[in-house]
Amino acid sequence: EPEVTQTPSHQVTQMGQEVILRCVPISNHLYFYWYRQILGQKVEFLVSFYNNEISEKSEIFDDQFSVERPDGSNFTLKIRSTKLEDSAMYFCASSFRAVVNSPLHFGNGTRLTVT
Amino acid sequence: AQKITQTQPGMFVQEKEAVTLDCTYDTSDQSYGLFWYKQPSSGEMIFLIYQGSYDEQNATEGRYSLNFQKARKSANLVISASQLGDSAMYFCAMREGQDSGGSNYKLTFGKGTLLTVNP
Repeated sequence: EPEVTQTPSHQVTQMGQEVILRCVPISNHLYFYWYRQILGQKVEFLVSFYNNEISEKSEIFDDQFSVERPDGSNFTLKIRSTKLEDSAMYFCASSFRAVVNSPLHFGNGTRLTVT
Repeated sequence: AQKITQTQPGMFVQEKEAVTLDCTYDTSDQSYGLFWYKQPSSGEMIFLIYQGSYDEQNATEGRYSLNFQKARKSANLVISASQLGDSAMYFCAMREGQDSGGSNYKLTFGKGTLLTVNP
């Protein structure tokens, strides 16, 4: 069964450094999302992306964050200058359609630790 | 107001018994979808089951079923014949229609219920 893949599974970085989290969505999916989950807390929406542009973003997704689909397969989340509070699990998700009955398929996540 | 409310931070069940995980939701949309995801300790998010707002029958998927009560705005997950491997965090989530604004119909999650299955 096709799946969303995320790399790396775990990233440790120092405060102030830039990180890029990578995702390969399911190949025929058109809608892409990033979510984050701070340890033990709820899963929070960051951004949705369609047709090479951001469709919607949350208040968490400030100027320090950016997303890109640099080629036909990868979907990346960049954090320009990481803060301690960016430590979280980051999930990429994709969906074939943007309709209410279409589930989002999630990758296994990247655990980001900012020291 | 919270869009998805899961009032049970933790639940315990004996192996082979059934368990119900509660979920209530808040939306003014007529068209919406309700989803349950399982998150084992390894961290991945696994899609379990879906219920559409216009579906008249409760969704079922193997040992998972959804007790959908539209008037009460609840969509409880029922797991029958619990297994040790069912121990995980369970999230209820909603995908709203266009009336809610925004686009691409993002998923909104509840805070989750940690289910522990005892042998």
